[in-house]
Amino acid sequence: GQQLNQSPQSMFIQEGEDVSMNCTSSSIFNTWLWYKQDPGEGPVLLIALYKAGELTSNGRLTAQFGITRKDSFLNISASIPSDVGIYFCAGLNYGGSQGNLIFGKGTKLSVKP
Amino acid sequence: EPEVTQTPSHQVTQMGQEVILRCVPISNHLYFYWYRQILGQKVEFLVSFYNNEISEKSEIFDDQFSVERPDGSNFTLKIRSTKLEDSAMYFCAIPGTGNPEAFFGQGTRLTVV
Repeated sequence: GQQLNQSPQSMFIQEGEDVSMNCTSSSIFNTWLWYKQDPGEGPVLLIALYKAGELTSNGRLTAQFGITRKDSFLNISASIPSDVGIYFCAGLNYGGSQGNLIFGKGTKLSVKP
Repeated sequence: EPEVTQTPSHQVTQMGQEVILRCVPISNHLYFYWYRQILGQKVEFLVSFYNNEISEKSEIFDDQFSVERPDGSNFTLKIRSTKLEDSAMYFCAIPGTGNPEAFFGQGTRLTVV
């Protein structure tokens, strides 16, 4: 089945730093989504991308849908402590039904000790 | 107020027992999804449900699993005879306006002992 490679697996942030993470796939997707998950909670949608090449921002978050439709990145500018959590990319292809999401393995953001 | 409410938040069950996980969306939706997340791993698609029928299911969703909409509002995921490897967080999700699967519930943590 389709697989998403998300990197890095984990990273440490210092307040004020910019953060970047990305997802790649061997196959194309019609839609890329980025979610954040806090401990014990469900994923929360951050940004949805629907067109190849699309660049979308949501506050300090910026994400792009790769032109080949096989990749996407998420940038967080000027990180703050509440950015800590696990970020998941997800790809979606609409089929005969609404489709289903393929998730990456996540990027865990932690605060630098 | 969350778009989707899941109950129970945590369930411990003995291997071989049946469990029913429940999900109640705020408003009526035709599409509905169940996902699971084994501890520390990625979120995985189980099944999509459209207009009272299964529209898509993954390899994980074998004969031990079933979904229902028993009374027109809430949705249930039933595992007939639980196995140790069924221990995971189970999330229901509904589409948002213009967004696929935008809203995840807070999840039910299932622990099979």
